[in-house]
Amino acid sequence: EDQVTQSPEALRLQEGESSSLNCSYTVSGLRGLFWYRQDPGKGPEFLFTLYSAGEEKEKERLKATLTKKESFLHITAPKPEDSATYLCAVQAEGNKLVFGAGTILRVKS
Amino acid sequence: NAGVTQTPKFRILKIGQSMTLQCAQDMNHNYMYWYRQDPGMGLKLIYYSVGAGITDKGEVPNGYNVSRSTTEDFPLRLELAAPSQTSVYFCASSYDQELNTEAFFGQGTRLTVV
Repeated sequence: EDQVTQSPEALRLQEGESSSLNCSYTVSGLRGLFWYRQDPGKGPEFLFTLYSAGEEKEKERLKATLTKKESFLHITAPKPEDSATYLCAVQAEGNKLVFGAGTILRVKS
Repeated sequence: NAGVTQTPKFRILKIGQSMTLQCAQDMNHNYMYWYRQDPGMGLKLIYYSVGAGITDKGEVPNGYNVSRSTTEDFPLRLELAAPSQTSVYFCASSYDQELNTEAFFGQGTRLTVV
């Protein structure tokens, strides 16, 4: 069965304190791994797609990396506006997206 | 540029009542999806559609029905509401899942069944 596990469940950071979120997965035939950001009361918003081990993508203070078993979302010098829930999803054979439970990030100034 | 529009935003239903959650997209996307999100859980796929007239079950389809008569619209029907269906429902669309294009989500419908 395809599974996605995200850790930690919640993370509190001070502004400027860099850290990483983890997404580990077990899936048969990974076709893509997606990162989304979700603000309270809103729908998920697309951040990145990673396709193969070793791939990296960056956007502002965020950098996503992928290995054969996990992905990391690195947040460099976060700001309060980076506070959100970050969701990881994998696309497996059959093209369905399987989501993790998310990591709730709070950045305090 | 509306993207994916869901209505209503909030709804309270009594046990046994029926309702339809509306979803429309204006991006000419082939793929559309319905997910539910429960506290502390990931998004669970209810139903999806790869084009007008074609729908298929996801992980948690029981108690729901869908139809896709046009490219733009993908309504989700609850026939006999149960407390277990209390959740936040998200509709999403993507251009082509084969090409791994990202999904765009609506703002969600918060449903409470009492």
